[in-house]
Amino acid sequence: QPVLTQSSSASASLGSSVKLTCTLSSGHSSYIIAWHQQQPGKAPRYLMKLEGSGSYNKGSGVPDRFSGSSSGADRYLTISNLQSEDEADYYCETWDSNTWVFGGGTKLTVL
Amino acid sequence: EVQLVESGGGLVQPGGSLRLSCAASGFTFSSYEMNWVRQAPGKGLEWVSYISSSGSTIYYADSVKGRFTISRDNAKNSLYLQMNSLRAEDTAVYYCARVDAINLVPTDYWGQGTLVTVSS
Repeated sequence: QPVLTQSSSASASLGSSVKLTCTLSSGHSSYIIAWHQQQPGKAPRYLMKLEGSGSYNKGSGVPDRFSGSSSGADRYLTISNLQSEDEADYYCETWDSNTWVFGGGTKLTVL
Repeated sequence: EVQLVESGGGLVQPGGSLRLSCAASGFTFSSYEMNWVRQAPGKGLEWVSYISSSGSTIYYADSVKGRFTISRDNAKNSLYLQMNSLRAEDTAVYYCARVDAINLVPTDYWGQGTLVTVSS
C-alpha cells in the first residue's frame, strides 16, 4: 500500500506564500491525492484533489489562494497571501484497492 | 448542502461496546461510498473502515478488524459503526467521510466528528 510522507511543521509570514509537500512512496508516484485542512479544534475540510500531472480540482468555497502542483512523486499545496486563518494542520490522503492512507500532517504556523 | 452529522460517542469502559451513527443529507446517500476515519487526541488522521454504496463491499484497517463492524441503511440515509471489545487506544474523534469515487476523490466531505473515550 502507498505511504505518504509530510514534513511535521512549516512556518511563513503573514501575506507571504508557503509550499507544503506530500511525497508518495516508491511505486506509487502516479497516485492521485487529496489535500485537507484542519483548523484548531475543527473537523478536517477538503481542499483539493491533485493528480500526478499537476492538474487539481478544488472543493467548494476554497479560496483562490490555494493551489496545487506535482513533480514526480511529490504533491504540493501552495498557499499564497497567507492569512491568520490558514494556520492549521494540513493532511494529504490517497487510497489503494482496499485501504485509505493519510500522511502524518504538516502543522503550519503563520508568523 | 452536503451534511454529515455523527452521533453516539461517549465514555465507555475497556472491553465495552458503542455504536456510532452518521446522518447524511444534501446528496443521494445511496450513490456514495463512505468511510469512517478517526483521530486520537493530538495525533493525525487514521482510516478505520470503508463501505461501498450498496453495502456489499467492506474493508477494515488491521487495527480494528474483528472488533468493528461498518454498515449502512440507505433508506434512512445513515452510516453506522459498531465498535466492540474497545481498547484505550480506540480513544479518538470519529469522523464519517464521503468518498467521491466517480471523480476519484478519496474524501470530499467530512462530518464534525464524535468523541469516543475508552477508559475505566
